[in-house]
Amino acid sequence: AQSVTQPDIHITVSEGASLELRCNYSYGATPYLFWYVQSPGQGLQLLLKYFSGDTLVQGIKGFEAEFKRSQSSFNLRKPSVHWSDAAEYFCAVGPWYALNFGKGTSLLVTP
Amino acid sequence: NAGVTQTPKFQVLKTGQSMTLQCAQDMNHEYMSWYRQDPGMGLRLIHYSVGAGITDQGEVPNGYNVSRSTTEDFPLRLLSAAPSQTSVYFCASSYSIASGGQETQYFGPGTRLLVL
Repeated sequence: AQSVTQPDIHITVSEGASLELRCNYSYGATPYLFWYVQSPGQGLQLLLKYFSGDTLVQGIKGFEAEFKRSQSSFNLRKPSVHWSDAAEYFCAVGPWYALNFGKGTSLLVTP
Repeated sequence: NAGVTQTPKFQVLKTGQSMTLQCAQDMNHEYMSWYRQDPGMGLRLIHYSVGAGITDQGEVPNGYNVSRSTTEDFPLRLLSAAPSQTSVYFCASSYSIASGGQETQYFGPGTRLLVL
């Protein structure tokens, strides 16, 4: 069975600080991994995805994620957070048309 | 292209009522899916379809029916609404690998459903 765990429900960072959001997955085969962002009252926007190849994936808005098979992790990172990054972040695994989402991490950015 | 459209945007139902949430896409995507989003639960897959006439259950299918008679439309039916079905519902569509498209889901804006 496939599953996704996002250990941190809430994270607070200062504007300009670095960010890492954790994601651990369980999947029987080579995973398709995704990170989505959702601003309050909005729909979902794809930040980045990993299927194969280079384990460091670059996405939009300056985000990147690293796939580590040995740790079953796909953590999302950003070197310098902007106030506009405050949102809910979801990690997801599975075939792209039938995703299994984590419960999300809510990011608060302080001045 | 309008992308993925969902109607209505907001709906209030009484327990036991039935309704259909509409989802349409104009991108000729083979795959379509329905998710529900509840606070603290993320998104959970209800049903999905890999082509016209083909549907399958996701994680939380109970209380919901789907059918896929055309490529463009994928309606979600609540036969007898319950308060536990109060949620935000997202429809999504995507290409298949066979069609040469990228493995990316496009989400609709959502339907907010309140069951009293």
